[in-house]
Amino acid sequence: GAVVSQHPSRVICKSGTSVKIECRSLDFQATTMFWYRQFPKQSLMLMATSNEGSKATYEQGVEKDKFLINHASLTLSTLTVTSAHPEDSSFYICSARRLPYEQYFGPGTRLTVT
Amino acid sequence: QQQVKQSPQSLIVQKGGIPIINCAYENTAFDYFPWYQQFPGKGPALLIAIRPDVSEKKEGRFTISFNKSAKQFSLHIMDSQPGDSATYFCAAGTSGSARQLTFGSGTQLTVLP
Repeated sequence: GAVVSQHPSRVICKSGTSVKIECRSLDFQATTMFWYRQFPKQSLMLMATSNEGSKATYEQGVEKDKFLINHASLTLSTLTVTSAHPEDSSFYICSARRLPYEQYFGPGTRLTVT
Repeated sequence: QQQVKQSPQSLIVQKGGIPIINCAYENTAFDYFPWYQQFPGKGPALLIAIRPDVSEKKEGRFTISFNKSAKQFSLHIMDSQPGDSATYFCAAGTSGSARQLTFGSGTQLTVLP
């Protein structure tokens, strides 16, 4: 299978600060990447679709000014959580789509906001 | 119409048993049906996937059965092992587009030694 990396794997930050999470497809080019949030023992909740060279598409209820997504190249997408608050603490997972079908996930980032 | 319904929510089997996880969908435009395995604290890993032109696909101990007319598909794990204990997600998608996958709610599988 293809490899998708995510960095950092864990991050602890103080309330009010911003955190950037990187997602890279290591062995294929991905015009589309996705960002998910997952709560304990729950399914994946899609936050946004990241398209290379264009603006991200956010799901209903996801604040685009709080969760900034940039897909600057065919192998890199970043998610920045701005002015983080404790309720933003969660497990964030990215995925990269290898056309025509497969979607490969990164290992996830555990964000804790204190 | 975009939903994928997955059952059961949790499943406990003895080592060597054959757990079966079922999923059902409504959207006939779906033409790609993957299964993911997720261990605690890790991202989901693509396990096996099927397209609707076949009714069954096997990869190692994992088998997908697909029933197009019933709009259902299932995952069977042969000779299950304690190391298979994980959460399994089914999903459905449409090939050739940038649309995201639609995921089931997940099944927590426990294989007892």
